[in-house]
Order: sequence, then structure tokens, then C-alpha cells
Amino acid sequence: DSGVTQTPKHLITATGQRVTLRCSPRSGDLSVYWYQQSLDQGLQFLIQYYNGEERAKGNILERFSAQQFPDLHSELNLSSLELGDSALYFCASSSDRGLGGTGELFFGEGSRLTVL
Amino acid sequence: SQKIEQNSEALNIQEGKTATLTCNYTNYSPAYLQWYRQDPGRGPVFLLLIRENEKEKRKERLKVTFDTTLKQSLFHITASQPADSATYLCALPDRGSTLGRLYFGRGTQLTVWP
Repeated sequence: DSGVTQTPKHLITATGQRVTLRCSPRSGDLSVYWYQQSLDQGLQFLIQYYNGEERAKGNILERFSAQQFPDLHSELNLSSLELGDSALYFCASSSDRGLGGTGELFFGEGSRLTVL
Repeated sequence: SQKIEQNSEALNIQEGKTATLTCNYTNYSPAYLQWYRQDPGRGPVFLLLIRENEKEKRKERLKVTFDTTLKQSLFHITASQPADSATYLCALPDRGSTLGRLYFGRGTQLTVWP
């Protein structure tokens, strides 16, 4: 158990819909990362938050947005869903990477999104 | 950005042998490199970190090397066991390692057969 909690574990929805994925980081970790993993793309970095502020942005679509709340949990919002958005979405947390450290990432078990 | 290549998508070896996985990168040399293990449908799990000034790092049956001249890291599992079967990912930080993002390779799927 990594200590990172993601909900829901599975989600099936239709094209054009909007979903929200939730992540609770490990206790004490200030950084939260979102990654997308699909069969043809591998693990792709989407966005990072550190202590409530956006720290780095990767290949995140404009239809996607995220935020980190004062209690440090984070939500990833996916809207106008397309078939190609079907993937595993992972949240990870770390204790010091936001400060340029080299700490490892602790991943949650992921949210599997299926868009029909 | 960084381009990361991991050797062959799949590697099959017999139990007891040494598995060697390769991670090559093409652009800037990172300050460090990490290796993760991922089981099907699960999140990646951190295994080892090696810094640019370290040639080799060991942890139990695992060994990682880092050659900044070749822009390559090798990941070895000695005395492999069927339980080692998984996908192994290498990950590198962004240039300067201050932005926090890690770039992951697509992984090598290792199967250890009895």
C-alpha cells in the first residue's frame, strides 16, 4: 500500500461527458502528480501541484483541468470526453520533489476510465 | 523534453538467470535516474534511484548502473524468480530537476519462467 488513495477505481461513461477523479496523497506529502497511461502512449505526465499551486504542466489537454485543495487532496477534471481519453489515470505524491529534490514518487492504484 | 528508450518491449528468461534491462536517453544528461516496477493494472512502485555521479547502485538482488557518456542505464536482477515478472520502467527528471516532472520510458515486460 503506497498510501496514495484514488477514487473511483473504475469509471465508464459516454463521449461528451465530464468526470472528476480524486486523489488523496500520502500523509505529509505536498506534491501531487497526475499521469495518464494508455497502451499506445505509456505513462504520460499531465500536471503537478505543490502545496496548492500548479508547479509543472505536461501534455495535458485543454479539456482537462486539475486543482489541489488546502487539505492537499487533488482532483482531475476531464470534460468533453472522447474515446481516446480511455486510459488509466494515476496520481502520485512525493515529499520533496516540489523543492527540486530527488524523492521517489508514490503512485496510487489508478482510476480506469472507459469512454464509450 | 527527453526521449527515453527501453530495450525490447518484452524479455523472457529462465528462473535463476540474470535479467538485464536497458534504458537509453537521447538529450540532456539527467541529475539522476529512477527505476520502477509495475504489475498489471497496478500503479508503479519505486525500486532504485541512481545519481549522475554514481556508477552503480545495489539493493538486494537488484543492481543499477548509470553511464552518462553512453547515456544509458542498465538494470540487473540477479537470481531471477517468477515473482520478478512485471514491467520495469525507467524514469528521468526534467532538465534541472526543479520542475518536478518525471519522464517515463514505455517499460520492458519481464517474464521469468520456472
